[in-house]
Amino acid sequence: HVQLVESGGGVVQPGRSLRLSCAASGFTFSSYGMHWVRQAPGKGLEWVAVIWYDGSNKYYADSVKGRFTISRDNSKNTLYLQMNSLRAEDTAVYYCARVGGSYSDPRETEFDPWGQGTLVTVSS
Amino acid sequence: QSVLTQPPSASGTPGQRVTISCSGSSSNIGSNYVYWYQQLPGTAPKLLIYRNNQRPSGVPDRFSGSKSGTSASLAISGLRSEDEADYYCAAWDDSLSAHWVFGGGTKLTVL
Repeated sequence: HVQLVESGGGVVQPGRSLRLSCAASGFTFSSYGMHWVRQAPGKGLEWVAVIWYDGSNKYYADSVKGRFTISRDNSKNTLYLQMNSLRAEDTAVYYCARVGGSYSDPRETEFDPWGQGTLVTVSS
Repeated sequence: QSVLTQPPSASGTPGQRVTISCSGSSSNIGSNYVYWYQQLPGTAPKLLIYRNNQRPSGVPDRFSGSKSGTSASLAISGLRSEDEADYYCAAWDDSLSAHWVFGGGTKLTVL
């Protein structure tokens, strides 16, 4: 049973940092690319970042480029999102999602499945 | 403003057929696959359609996807109350800042 569990969310002041984690189980984590997607309260989905199965490639949304870093530890079956210089507009539920196929190109493969999300609130 | 354009709302009565459109450009829908996700109230999104028109196992054949040029659409036939949800289209965008793009979402109401 594939499972993705996000953690690390909370309330943080503007300009501070936070690191999110996504613990994966039920599949061979090291064979799959992974995404972060966020959803501001009452708003739609916004893609944040993707990392290839081996960490060799990473892409970011313009809105987070230079502030957020996606990484993974295949020995711990865990995906990370380091978020620096946080802004109020970064407030959202952050989901991790697996690339649909093993060793697949994340640019042409579905997001499946998704975790349950973790809420990040940036506020003073 | 989302890169992919969807109507904010759609509605239908049980048993009806409804369609949700998704409009993009040559750098996203025009040159890449389209995906559809369903988000039931208070839950995480779930894959509904992949690679324009493919259904994952477990998704009823009442759901179908199509793509033509720079537009795509999701059709739901035999509408049921449990279909009431938000629906999002998505595609990879090959523009200078290569990235995934989502539509703004369509809230489907079953009357």
